[in-house]
Amino acid sequence: AQSVSQHNHHVILSEAASLELGCNYSYGGTVNLFWYVQYPGQHLQLLLKYFSGDPLVKGIKGFEAEFIKSKFSFNLRKPSVQWSDTAEYFCARPGGYNKLIFGAGTRLAVHP
Amino acid sequence: NAGVTQTPKFQVLKTGQSMTLQCAQDMNHEYMSWYRQDPGMGLRLIHYSVGAGITDQGEVPNGYNVSRSTTEDFPLRLLSAAPSQTSVYFCASSPPQGLAGDVSSYNEQFFGPGTRLTVL
Repeated sequence: AQSVSQHNHHVILSEAASLELGCNYSYGGTVNLFWYVQYPGQHLQLLLKYFSGDPLVKGIKGFEAEFIKSKFSFNLRKPSVQWSDTAEYFCARPGGYNKLIFGAGTRLAVHP
Repeated sequence: NAGVTQTPKFQVLKTGQSMTLQCAQDMNHEYMSWYRQDPGMGLRLIHYSVGAGITDQGEVPNGYNVSRSTTEDFPLRLLSAAPSQTSVYFCASSPPQGLAGDVSSYNEQFFGPGTRLTVL
């Protein structure tokens, strides 16, 4: 069965620090990869997605992710976080026809 | 477009009560899904539908029923609520693959605002 692993469950950073959140996906199946963000009290919003082509994907709000096929990874990065980036971040991949499998999520807290 | 809408936003039930969570989308998406979100477990698929009249079970279907009579609506029914069903429920929709040649939208899901359900 397809799976997604997020190894960092809680991350605490100060403003202006760099961010990298890990995501590993299982072998096989369609490799579309997504990062969603959920701000406190809000619904999930798409940050970025990888479908094919350039393995470095740029998303909204200065986020980017790199697809490394040899490592089965799709880590999310941001060079300088802001307090407004405090949220929960989910990595996801298809688990069948138009179904997504989500990682457990990473809660990011950014302190001013 | 309103996108994906869900009602109610909050609900408190007693054990054994039944209720229906409503979900609607105005994007003419064929695919709709229900997920539940629990701390430390991400989102888990409850039921999904690939079009009007067609539904199927996801990862955690027990205790829930769905139906899809129209493209727009996909209600989730709790027949006899249990404390284990306390969760946040998200409805999502997605276009079919290759819609209008935009293959980059394949598998992308659009989420509603969620319903926070507490079962006492």
